[in-house]
This record gives sequence, C-alpha cells and structure tokens, in this order.
Amino acid sequence: EPEVTQTPSHQVTQMGQEVILRCVPISNHLYFYWYRQILGQKVEFLVSFYNNEISEKSEIFDDQFSVERPDGSNFTLKIRSTKLEDSAMYFCASQTKKNTEAFFGQGTRLTVV
Amino acid sequence: AQSVTQPDIHITVSEGASLELRCNYSYGATPYLFWYVQSPGQGLQLLLKYFSGDTLVQGIKGFEAEFKRSQSSFNLRKPSVHWSDAAEYFCAVGPPEYGNKLVFGAGTILRVKS
Repeated sequence: EPEVTQTPSHQVTQMGQEVILRCVPISNHLYFYWYRQILGQKVEFLVSFYNNEISEKSEIFDDQFSVERPDGSNFTLKIRSTKLEDSAMYFCASQTKKNTEAFFGQGTRLTVV
Repeated sequence: AQSVTQPDIHITVSEGASLELRCNYSYGATPYLFWYVQSPGQGLQLLLKYFSGDTLVQGIKGFEAEFKRSQSSFNLRKPSVHWSDAAEYFCAVGPPEYGNKLVFGAGTILRVKS
C-alpha cells in the first residue's frame, strides 16, 4: 500500500542551526501539507502546497520556515534558524485532490537543544 | 473560527468492553469529519471519514462513527475493544471553504486493561 515517508524519524539540532525535514508523498497526490505537534498539544496546521506554490499557511509559518518540492517527488520543510520552541513532531501529509482524505507520514521528531 | 473538542484526555476500558470517544466541533455548516489514530512511534492513520450521506460511517479495525448535526458531534465507537486498540485518537475537521487544512482536537489516549 502506498504511504507517505518521512526522514529522518528523529533529529536533534542545536539552537540557531538550519534543519531540513524531508517527505516523500504518495506518488499521484497533488496536495501536500506540513503539520506539527508540540508535546502535549494539538496537531497544528503549518502550510499547504499545491501546483508548486504555497496555497495556505498558518501564522506559525513565519519567515523562518520554507517549503519546497525540488524534484517532483520530495517535499521538504526547512527551518532556517531553529529555536527551542520549534521542538515538536512534524507530520507531512498528502492527498490526491481537494476535499478528500489526507494521508500522513509517521512524523519526524525534532529536538532543538 | 472552527474548533474541535475532545473532552476526554484519557479513557481506560477493559478488553472486550465497548468504547465511545467523544468529539464536538464548532463550525457554521457541515464540515468534513475524520478520525485518526496514532500508535506509539507511528504516524496518523485514518480510521474513517464523513463527507456527506449516511450519518453512520464504518471504518477500519471495526470502528464506526456517527455524525449528529443537531449536536455538532462525531463520536467514535467500537463494540468490543482489543488490547491492540490502545493508542491516541484524534478527531479532525476539514471545513471545505477553509481549503484543505485539518483542524484537530487535542486527542484522547485510550488505555485497554486486560
């Protein structure tokens, strides 16, 4: 069964460093998302991406964050200068078309020290 | 703004007992509704979804959920819980006019005792 794949499963980084979280969405999917879950809090929407551009972003998704689909298969989330409060589980999701269910990856746990 | 409430943070049931996890949403019209499950170390797996039509929807692993418009609820049920159902369960809303993003509840952690 096709699945969304995220790498790495766990990343530890020093405050101020740049990190790139990687996702391989399901191959025929057109809509892509990043969500995050800070420990003990709700899963929160960060950004959606369609047709090679951001279609929507939350207020969390500030200038420190960027997304890219560099090669038609990978979908990446970059955090330019990590802060302690960026520590969270980051989920990638994809869906075939609008108003269908989204499929999630297993998440990347980011720990900023 | 739309919101989702899962009033129970933790629920403990005995293996073989029935289960109901509550979910209420705040939204002006009928949204799309979802239940996801997260086992430790795993991603979010879709259990079931409601877009329209029959208000009782069947999902995977023997789960079902009923959409009640009058109560703005979408409760998840299972008639007989198995130990492997222990996980965290998330209700989510996808209001169509807000694009495709999902708004999640806080989650309910299910513990199953033998």
